[in-house]
Amino acid sequence: EPEVTQTPSHQVTQMGQEVILRCVPISNHLYFYWYRQILGQKVEFLVSFYNNEISEKSEIFDDQFSVERPDGSNFTLKIRSTKLEDSAMYFCAIPGGRDRVSYGYTFGSGTRLTVV
Amino acid sequence: GQNIDQPTEMTATEGAIVQINCTYQTSGFNGLFWYQQHAGEAPTFLSYNVLDGLEEKGRFSSFLSRSKGYSYLLLKELQMKDSASYLCAVNPRIGNYQLIWGAGTKLIIKP
Repeated sequence: EPEVTQTPSHQVTQMGQEVILRCVPISNHLYFYWYRQILGQKVEFLVSFYNNEISEKSEIFDDQFSVERPDGSNFTLKIRSTKLEDSAMYFCAIPGGRDRVSYGYTFGSGTRLTVV
Repeated sequence: GQNIDQPTEMTATEGAIVQINCTYQTSGFNGLFWYQQHAGEAPTFLSYNVLDGLEEKGRFSSFLSRSKGYSYLLLKELQMKDSASYLCAVNPRIGNYQLIWGAGTKLIIKP
């Protein structure tokens, strides 16, 4: 069983539409991260979430993005008005171990978002 | 600026050894990570170096030289399943987990 489950695995949406990507860890974590990877490009940090608040965000994470923890277990990344350039794989991640640095991240399986 | 450089692509033979290099120029340094990523999948954690020297984990080893801003990942006894992209990432400061990522090295294993 994966430690982090993401849904949907693939979403196709029309430009301007809102999408919600979901991430469910197998156990409770205080730290969550969202990354994205445009096809063939680098992994890019979007936002980190600690104890129900955003702790850091990148320049990519502008006003069209938001993160929530709606029910204490799963996390969502919302993109309000999608653009073509939002097409990418979106990964959520949790610390890989109790020492949240030295074990790296455990990534979810990802959501492939395609904006048409 | 922050920059991480890796070769774009490498080819090696099954059973052989390959070394993938990574150089970095970052505003600070609090550790370097190597991840493996198969096409269409999420990255998976391989190794972490924060002090100079070699860390060995089975067939994979990672080396770090902080003074040179240099790391390498060494893969031994290559198997076909090792065909993947290998990503180098740096944590530039303490208390921050916003990693800076390299573009990855695509490793092709030939029989």
